[in-house]
Amino acid sequence: AQSVAQPEDQVNVAEGNPLTVKCTYSVSGNPYLFWYVQYPNRGLQFLLKYITGDNLVKGSYGFEAEFNKSQTSFHLKKPSALVSDSALYFCAVRALGSQNFVFGPGTRLSVLP
Amino acid sequence: NAGVMQNPRHLVRRRGQEARLRCSPMKGHSHVYWYRQLPEEGLKFMVYLQKENIIDESGMPKERFSAEFPKEGPSILRIQQVVRGDSAAYFCASSPNSAGTGYEKLFFGSGTQLSVL
Repeated sequence: AQSVAQPEDQVNVAEGNPLTVKCTYSVSGNPYLFWYVQYPNRGLQFLLKYITGDNLVKGSYGFEAEFNKSQTSFHLKKPSALVSDSALYFCAVRALGSQNFVFGPGTRLSVLP
Repeated sequence: NAGVMQNPRHLVRRRGQEARLRCSPMKGHSHVYWYRQLPEEGLKFMVYLQKENIIDESGMPKERFSAEFPKEGPSILRIQQVVRGDSAAYFCASSPNSAGTGYEKLFFGSGTQLSVL
C-alpha cells in the first residue's frame, strides 16, 4: 500500500529565509513523487514531480525538491521564501501501475514579512 | 485550453436531499479522479474513472455515494440523502493517460464546496 507522511502540520518562516517542507513516503517499487500547492478556495496546482534521473528536481515559482531513496523522502525546498508562498502544500506518491495518487495530509506554510 | 471545470462552486443542501457535483475534465483527458477534503484535513481519494468505466472506487463510502463518467458529458459525483458529515470540499482532477505510465500529473478543478444544513 502507498502512503505519504508530512510530519509538520505548520511551518513558519521569515520572508527571505530558506524554507523546507518535509515529506516521506512508502510505496512498493519505484515511486513517482509530486508536490502540489493549494491557495485558499482554490484547487491544487502542480509544482514539480520526480520520475527518474537527477535527485534534485526544479519546479515552478523557484521551488525544488530532493529525492532521497535511502530515507524515502522528498522534501520541498526554496532558497528564499516570499510572503506569497503562504499556502497549503501537499506531497503525493504514485507507484508504477497503480491507479491512485495518494496525498499526504498537507503542511500549511506561513511566510512572515 | 480550459482547465478542469467543476460546478457548482458552492452547493447547499438540507439533510436528506441529493447532491450532484459535476466535473468536466480538460480537453483530451479521459481519466477523472474525485477527492474529498474535510476542513483542516488532507485530500482523501474517492474514485477513479475512465469513460464509461469505474476503475477504482475503493475510497467511496459504500452507501449513498456513486460516480459516473459517461461517454458524453461531464463526470458526476452523486450523494443521496446527504448528512451533515458530507459537508466538505470535493475536488475533481483529470489526467490524459492511463495509470500504467505513472508519471502523468493531475490537473485539478477549483472544487465544489458542499454544505449540508
